[in-house]
Amino acid sequence: EAQVTQNPRYLITVTGKKLTVTCSQNMNHEYMSWYRQDPGLGLRQIYYSMNVEVTDKGDVPEGYKVSRKEKRNFPLILESPSPNQTSLYFCASSLIGHEQFFGPGTRLTVL
Amino acid sequence: KNEVEQSPQNLTAQEGEFITINCSYSVGISALHWLQQHPGGGIVSLFMLSSGKKKHGRLIATINIQEKHSSLHITASHPRDSAVYICAVRSGGGADGLTFGKGTHLIIQP
Repeated sequence: EAQVTQNPRYLITVTGKKLTVTCSQNMNHEYMSWYRQDPGLGLRQIYYSMNVEVTDKGDVPEGYKVSRKEKRNFPLILESPSPNQTSLYFCASSLIGHEQFFGPGTRLTVL
Repeated sequence: KNEVEQSPQNLTAQEGEFITINCSYSVGISALHWLQQHPGGGIVSLFMLSSGKKKHGRLIATINIQEKHSSLHITASHPRDSAVYICAVRSGGGADGLTFGKGTHLIIQP
């Protein structure tokens, strides 16, 4: 089944404790992206990647890192999480210029 | 930076009504997406279009590039259409990121 998977789906952590949210797709898509969704602000793009070893900042990249060492994986790294990074995070993938497939979301709470 | 505005923000209608959700943007784009998000959070892509009109079942999406405006229509609405509908634009080329509207919260009452 074609899908985008994210792990974990739910995470509660404390300020400053490094964490990684994984994203994987099995559709051989070149394009992958991370978004955060917050009440009143909607979806905002954090980082995206056009292909292996190619990443670009979105609208809200501060406090996040990404890597694209393999085509199927695009992990989101929070080196030192802060409470303002409490959010619902979505990973998505697509062929370049085509409709995006979204993962199920990761609900992160930083205390 | 593209500004994306959706209207209305909230819409409650009766089953069977014809629904229209609007999206306008400020800068020329290469593509516009319509997304659907049900309670519980999952996001599904409904349409991607760069010109004209697309139809899928009871859903129709149109775009007017000159007016910088798109509409999503739902015919014969049903309670299962209740969701948040989100417009997103890509400003240039396949590599650029997406900018999103804040969404339209649609409730269809039986």
